[in-house]
Amino acid sequence: DGGITQSPKYLFRKEGQNVTLSCEQNLNHDAMYWYRQDPGQGLRLIYYSQIVNDFQKGDIAEGYSVSREKKESFPLTVTSAQKNPTAFYLCASSMRDRGTDTQYFGPGTRLTVL
Amino acid sequence: DAKTTQPNSMESNEEEPVHLPCNHSTISGTDYIHWYRQLPSQGPEYVIHGLTSNVNNRMASLAIAEDRKSSTLILHRATLRDAAVYYCILSYAGGTSYGKLTFGQGTILTVHP
Repeated sequence: DGGITQSPKYLFRKEGQNVTLSCEQNLNHDAMYWYRQDPGQGLRLIYYSQIVNDFQKGDIAEGYSVSREKKESFPLTVTSAQKNPTAFYLCASSMRDRGTDTQYFGPGTRLTVL
Repeated sequence: DAKTTQPNSMESNEEEPVHLPCNHSTISGTDYIHWYRQLPSQGPEYVIHGLTSNVNNRMASLAIAEDRKSSTLILHRATLRDAAVYYCILSYAGGTSYGKLTFGQGTILTVHP
């Protein structure tokens, strides 16, 4: 089945540790995205990548880093510089559909920093 | 980015139609209207999108006002599985905003059996 996988579903880390969240897609989509969602809020864009080896900051990139070495993979590292890392993290990829992009989301990773 | 305004919450009964409104008075000519929905503890799911004409797919219909300053997502027969947060989003396709979606608070839809 084609889709987006994120692992793990739940992640616990101690304060001050860097942590990397995995995102893989087999949809052959060029563009990929990382969002953060806090309780009761909408999604906020962290980083996005339109092609391999290129990515741009979103609205809340501080304290995060990404890489895009392969088309199907877009890992997100939450660094110790991120002040409030506990959140629900969502990865998405997109395809062009009738003139605009349709985004497909993974199941998310819920990160808790203790 | 152009903004959208949606009611915080709406309620419906099962098997009845649901009309979810969205205002976007500052929409530009190149903005597409997208709808996504998010079930609890899941990633958002694409529902439908359109530019000027009304659109239908297997999930829903999208009715766009002639001046494009508002739109309505129509679920023809609500089921309990349609209970979710519905997001109306404007997306500019082109330039540095390629594919970028800005999620607001959305409308929480409650469906009663």
